[in-house]
Amino acid sequence: AQKVTQAQTEISVVEKEDVTLDCVYETRDTTYYLFWYKQPPSGELVFLIRRNSFDEQNEISGRYSWNFQKSTSSFNFTITASQVVDSAVYFCALSESSGNTPLVFGKGTRLSVIA
Amino acid sequence: DSGVTQTPKHLITATGQRVTLRCSPRSGDLSVYWYQQSLDQGLQFLIQYYNGEERAKGNILERFSAQQFPDLHSELNLSSLELGDSALYFCASSGRTQGAGGYTFGSGTRLTVV
Repeated sequence: AQKVTQAQTEISVVEKEDVTLDCVYETRDTTYYLFWYKQPPSGELVFLIRRNSFDEQNEISGRYSWNFQKSTSSFNFTITASQVVDSAVYFCALSESSGNTPLVFGKGTRLSVIA
Repeated sequence: DSGVTQTPKHLITATGQRVTLRCSPRSGDLSVYWYQQSLDQGLQFLIQYYNGEERAKGNILERFSAQQFPDLHSELNLSSLELGDSALYFCASSGRTQGAGGYTFGSGTRLTVV
């Protein structure tokens, strides 16, 4: 069975600090997809990134970066120079590679960035 | 606009009542998924339909049911509502429009049971 663990329930940082959100996953599939979503206070789910299990290159998008390590089954998310607008709940998720299968979500990490 | 439309956006109803939530998937997507997010809880998968047929079932209560119609829109029916059913209900779709591993979420229906 697939499982996603986000051990950090809540994180609080001061603006401009860097913060890393951890995600550990379990799957028997050799091919799968990993995701990060952001849920701001308004409630909608905002897609941040999708990563195929065969692509272990780290990715950077502006202040966001992702570290994918198959050896440790982790897909961690780092926000550099955090801003108040980054305050949200962040979810890591996993799906089988075939598509058309349900996303399995972690329980989320609530990030509070204090000015 | 994500392309997935959920209606209504907000719903307030009394305990014991029945409600129907509607989801229109992205054009061309055959799969529809329903998720429940209770207060301070993660996203719990309820049920998936693929091209009109039930494909996967998660933690869906017997009081809840869903269906997908020939035009591919889906409805989630919640009956004998309890206070604990108050939650944000998301619909997502997937299919060839995004390729494997692509999902599009609607903006959710916030249900309040009083």
